[in-house]
Amino acid sequence: NAGVMQNPRHLVRRRGQEARLRCSPMKGHSHVYWYRQLPEEGLKFMVYLQKENIIDESGMPKERFSAEFPKEGPSILRIQQVVRGDSAAYFCASSTGAGAEQYFGPGTRLTVT
Amino acid sequence: GDSVTQMEGPVTLSEEAFLTINCTYTATGYPSLFWYVQYPGEGLQLLLKATKADDKGSNKGFEATYRKETTSFHLEKGSVQVSDSAVYFCALSAREGSNYKLTFGKGTLLTVNP
Repeated sequence: NAGVMQNPRHLVRRRGQEARLRCSPMKGHSHVYWYRQLPEEGLKFMVYLQKENIIDESGMPKERFSAEFPKEGPSILRIQQVVRGDSAAYFCASSTGAGAEQYFGPGTRLTVT
Repeated sequence: GDSVTQMEGPVTLSEEAFLTINCTYTATGYPSLFWYVQYPGEGLQLLLKATKADDKGSNKGFEATYRKETTSFHLEKGSVQVSDSAVYFCALSAREGSNYKLTFGKGTLLTVNP
């Protein structure tokens, strides 16, 4: 049973470009969480999605960031017009339902040059 | 809002030494408490958890007890190994509406020398 998959593992973007981060949850999991880990910091919650629904996006920056979890395919975290401050590790976690254990992917390390 | 404060590292120990990493929390309501471990270049793995007061979570020789009176969840291991070298995160999960998001501490880097 494959775990949570994230790709790419490393992503380099120049300032102003778009970054797309993908997360494929574990089989049977329909809930996805995105977290961001800034250097020397713990993980911070960004957004919680179920299939085709955003449940809680209270941790998302108001501009440039968006997330989706379509009926088919992976969850996508999109960052438009990236800036150096967006450089971080972005982790996705999936679960079978609200309150169930969250399983984490290996993360995508975004570097903005 | 909810928050987690854990002992700052880095912590360096010799093999077979005793480990304690302190963790305290602030939360409205009654959270579940977790310790996660992150090995270099990898994602987080759940190490142990406790869901109510006085519960003890344990795994791979690590233990932590949910202390409601002191709002703490300290991680301990009696004899560490080189393979325990990693970053350890204390976290809580408390319900907000239908969201059970995790709130993490900043992490503690543990290095165990042979």
